[in-house]
Amino acid sequence: RKEVEQDPGPFNVPEGATVAFNCTYSNSASQSFFWYRQDCRKEPKLLMSVYSSGNEDGRFTAQLNRASQYISLLIRDSKLSDSATYLCAVNDAGNNRKLIWGLGTSLAVNP
Amino acid sequence: DAGVTQSPTHLIKTRGQQVTLRCSPKSGHDTVSWYQQALGQGPQFIFQYYEEEERQRGNFPDRFSGHQFPNYSSELNVNALLLGDSALYLCASSLAGSVGEQYFGPGTRLTVT
Repeated sequence: RKEVEQDPGPFNVPEGATVAFNCTYSNSASQSFFWYRQDCRKEPKLLMSVYSSGNEDGRFTAQLNRASQYISLLIRDSKLSDSATYLCAVNDAGNNRKLIWGLGTSLAVNP
Repeated sequence: DAGVTQSPTHLIKTRGQQVTLRCSPKSGHDTVSWYQQALGQGPQFIFQYYEEEERQRGNFPDRFSGHQFPNYSSELNVNALLLGDSALYLCASSLAGSVGEQYFGPGTRLTVT
């Protein structure tokens, strides 16, 4: 089993739709979780940190489920500009400063 | 407040050559991590530098080496280039003691022919 797994997609959704991505991790000792957004041929940019209590930033909501070892990202009212690859990152339990990355989930929001 | 910068942005080399990539971290950050990202893949961790020492290393051969300078900037060196080394090389900076939030530079796109 990979340390961090994501459904690669692609997810094709119409504008205004709600879409959710999950990311599973294998090490139950991991403590820090992040969602990054990566546009084509650009660097990843931090979208959200994921806290135990969940967190929301506008149309974006991130949740952590420790029992099932996954994090989720919910995007409401999708915009064309949300089209990108969404990467999840989980800290290496043995080194809090090292992140382990999923392969990313591709999202295309269509007019 | 300058973000993470990398140079060069693009590079073309031939097999067997050596390359040096450079990174300056975000202001106030002291830890630099290097990643290799092939097309359609997530970033693969190469190594991390803190206090001018390599602290962690991913599953990359010794052909990949690095350095961190007293001003926290860093270099990635790759010797004896292979075609498979063609990728986007990303530098990410963070603050020691943080929970791991990393900020990326724009990357260097290396093509090996």
